[in-house]
This record gives sequence, structure tokens and C-alpha cells, in this order.
Amino acid sequence: DAKTTQPPSMDCAEGRAANLPCNHSTISGNEYVYWYRQIHSQGPQYIIHGLKNNETNEMASLIITEDRKSSTLILPHATLRDTAVYYCIGGGGSQGNLIFGKGTKLSVKP
Amino acid sequence: DSGVTQTPKHLITATGQRVTLRCSPRSGDLSVYWYQQSLDQGLQFLIQYYNGEERAKGNILERFSAQQFPDLHSELNLSSLELGDSALYFCASSVSGTGFTDTQYFGPGTRLTVL
Repeated sequence: DAKTTQPPSMDCAEGRAANLPCNHSTISGNEYVYWYRQIHSQGPQYIIHGLKNNETNEMASLIITEDRKSSTLILPHATLRDTAVYYCIGGGGSQGNLIFGKGTKLSVKP
Repeated sequence: DSGVTQTPKHLITATGQRVTLRCSPRSGDLSVYWYQQSLDQGLQFLIQYYNGEERAKGNILERFSAQQFPDLHSELNLSSLELGDSALYFCASSVSGTGFTDTQYFGPGTRLTVL
């Protein structure tokens, strides 16, 4: 099971890009990188996932380094509603479950 | 809205009691996962069901049990409740639950308070 390291907190100005880093140096070749976020005590919300290539969807972009040891989640134009805890998950448990760390608390400020 | 529903939203009960939490997966999803989120432990995987059968177990206490019914909804039963069982309980669902490529979608959770 890949373990991930994220900064505990980050600030971002509203309208600017938020770049959230994640280190997953122990990830294995077939393990995906998943990003979820949790706003207050709501259910975790799926954002994006990827294996090797960079990915983009309507919510965010995911940049994965060539050696796959780290990735960056990019919210291109952060809004106040993007204030949340962001979880980077490297692969899953041996049984396919998600292993959540402590995540990064992103605060978007006006 | 993820399409996963959970009831009830809030539950307040006393120590020693038994409660049942219910989850309905997204339409078409066969796999259901249960997670517990407490202040000191973060999000912890409890158990997974796939098409009615138990597929994986995490840190689930013996006092807790779950099942998935033919219509694919799932129930998590918590018995002999203790103060430390107070937490948010989330259900997630996925299409197949066969590995790391299967995206899980979470419900809004049930907040359990044991007094």
C-alpha cells in the first residue's frame, strides 16, 4: 500500500491557481494516484485520478512526475468554495479500499 | 450529489445500544464500502461488499457487522455501543470494486453520537 506525504495546510488567494503537492515515493507500477476532497464534514468528493499521464477534467488537473514518485493537483482558479481538506491517495489497500492520510487543509482567501 | 444515499443523517443513542445505518449505492454500482471517520483516527476502512458477498475487511470491530441485500443496498449494524464509537460513518460505492482503478463515490455520511 503506497503511503503519501502532503503538507498539512496551504493558503491560496481567490482566483489564483492552487497547486497541492503530494509525495508517493513508494507507489508501485499498477497503483493509481487518486485525489479526493472533503468540505467540512461532508462525504469525500472524488476529484481526479491518474496512472502515468497527466490528467485534466472539469474540476482540476493532475500532474504526475515521470518517475511517479510525486504529483501535483492544480485547481486553476480557486474559489472560496474550494476551501477543504484535500487527500492524495496512492493506489489503494491490498483489498482495493482507499487509504486516507491526514491530507492538506486548503484555505482559499478573498 | 454523488448518487450515494445514507440514512439517517444523524443518530444519537446511549452506550450499550444497537443501531443500524443504511446505504444505497449509485445506480449500477455493485460494490459498497464502509468507512469510519473519528477525530483522532481519520478515515478508516471498515468493510466492503460486492454483489451481496463480503469481499474485504478492514479495521472493523467484532461488535460491528454489515450486509448487502439483493437490491444492493447495505446496512452497517453497530452493537454494544461505546462512547468511542461516536464518529461519522461513510458509505461509498463503485462499479466493480475489483481494484485500484475503480473510483469510489461517497455518500453524505451518518453522524453517530453515543452518550
